[in-house]
Amino acid sequence: KAGVTQTPRYLIKTRGQQVTLSCSPISGHRSVSWYQQTPGQGLQFLFEYFSETQRNKGNFPGRFSGRQFSNSRSEMNVSTLELGDSALYLCASSDRATRRDEQFFGPGTRLTVL
Amino acid sequence: GQQVMQIPQYQHVQEGEDFTTYCNSSTTLSNIQWYKQRPGGHPVFLIQLVKSGEVKKQKRLTFQFGEAKKNSSLHITATQTTDVGTYFCAGGSLGGNKLVFGAGTILRVKS
Repeated sequence: KAGVTQTPRYLIKTRGQQVTLSCSPISGHRSVSWYQQTPGQGLQFLFEYFSETQRNKGNFPGRFSGRQFSNSRSEMNVSTLELGDSALYLCASSDRATRRDEQFFGPGTRLTVL
Repeated sequence: GQQVMQIPQYQHVQEGEDFTTYCNSSTTLSNIQWYKQRPGGHPVFLIQLVKSGEVKKQKRLTFQFGEAKKNSSLHITATQTTDVGTYFCAGGSLGGNKLVFGAGTILRVKS
């Protein structure tokens, strides 16, 4: 099975712009979660989608949004970028509805905001 | 809300020494998962513990889940340079559909 893929892998934007990141989960996985990783902050949970519905949301401002399509692919959008949004954005897919199963992470998108 | 604290933040050991990282939750967990992230890589699942007091081993790695299901530990015996990376714990909420990650422990191994 192919792993979780994320595009693009690297992105450079300027303050005020918006960005869309894409994640394709492992085939058959219906749950996709997004995380922000910055040095010293660990993995901060953004949101989780399951069967096209947002099931959980972390403590991020409304500038961060996401969606999931019928084929389970997910996108994350950040509007009005700020310098502090520079981070590695990871998505993870899992197999079952309870989220008790392991998270399979993608390679991440490295976003730099100038 | 649910918080998961992980200590130490950083540990530098000599190859062959043991290493332990600890994870503590503010609330009772349904399960705990452990992940390893190599430098420049992404987190990779190691194991999941579900039962109170559960202990699982993977070669030189020993994972424990506390009796109260609020804490966990990962112990590595006789570290090797291949053990280098960041180890994360992640606690599942009792509601069953939320996973909270600890901040991770960075392990460096001197050969």
